[in-house]
Amino acid sequence: DQQVKQNSPSLSVQEGRISILNCDYTNSMFDYFLWYKKYPAEGPTFLISISSIKDKNEDGRFTVFLNKSAKHLSLHIVPSQPGDSAVYFCAASSASGNQFYFGTGTSLTVIP
Amino acid sequence: EAGVVQSPRYKIIEKKQPVAFWCNPISGHNTLYWYRQNLGQGPELLIRYENEEAVDDSQLPKDRFSAERLKGVDSTLKIQPAELGDSAVYLCASSLEQVVTYEQYFGPGTRLTVT
Repeated sequence: DQQVKQNSPSLSVQEGRISILNCDYTNSMFDYFLWYKKYPAEGPTFLISISSIKDKNEDGRFTVFLNKSAKHLSLHIVPSQPGDSAVYFCAASSASGNQFYFGTGTSLTVIP
Repeated sequence: EAGVVQSPRYKIIEKKQPVAFWCNPISGHNTLYWYRQNLGQGPELLIRYENEEAVDDSQLPKDRFSAERLKGVDSTLKIQPAELGDSAVYLCASSLEQVVTYEQYFGPGTRLTVT
């Protein structure tokens, strides 16, 4: 039972263009969402997060949008850079922190 | 600031053998997590510690997996006996319990291959 889903296993984007990574969740109890970035042979590193009381959070080139009614969030990277090439994981948590689930990841390739 | 340290980085064992992984979290982080990541999948939480107490081990296969966090700092995860399906990357992460963002800091992982 996959509670957090990333339906696109891979994405290729030209350098300088926008990358949009999508994530869907099924559990309405989730109220905190995070994006992690992972390079090969390394552990995931925290990128950006959003609370369910917001619908947008921006940090430099990275913006996360949350649509609670659709149980959908997305990560926008603008402009995309070759160094952004990595696997991106969406994660969701409940307020108590007792539930924490990762999606299956989307492999982003930014083409120079 | 030193990150989360895990050892070994790689381990190859034959099935039915025991194996143990070690994790040293970031200093001051009360919460420690063990995850298993299968190929092509996201990390799956096995167990979460708050200080020395295992507060969530619902996903830990208790017939063969065990974990401990003595003194609320370092932790070990053990598998005995290992099965072919245990081949995966085992990730350790830590976080400040007080931090609302639930941001976790991950170690590089231990890649286990069971033959």
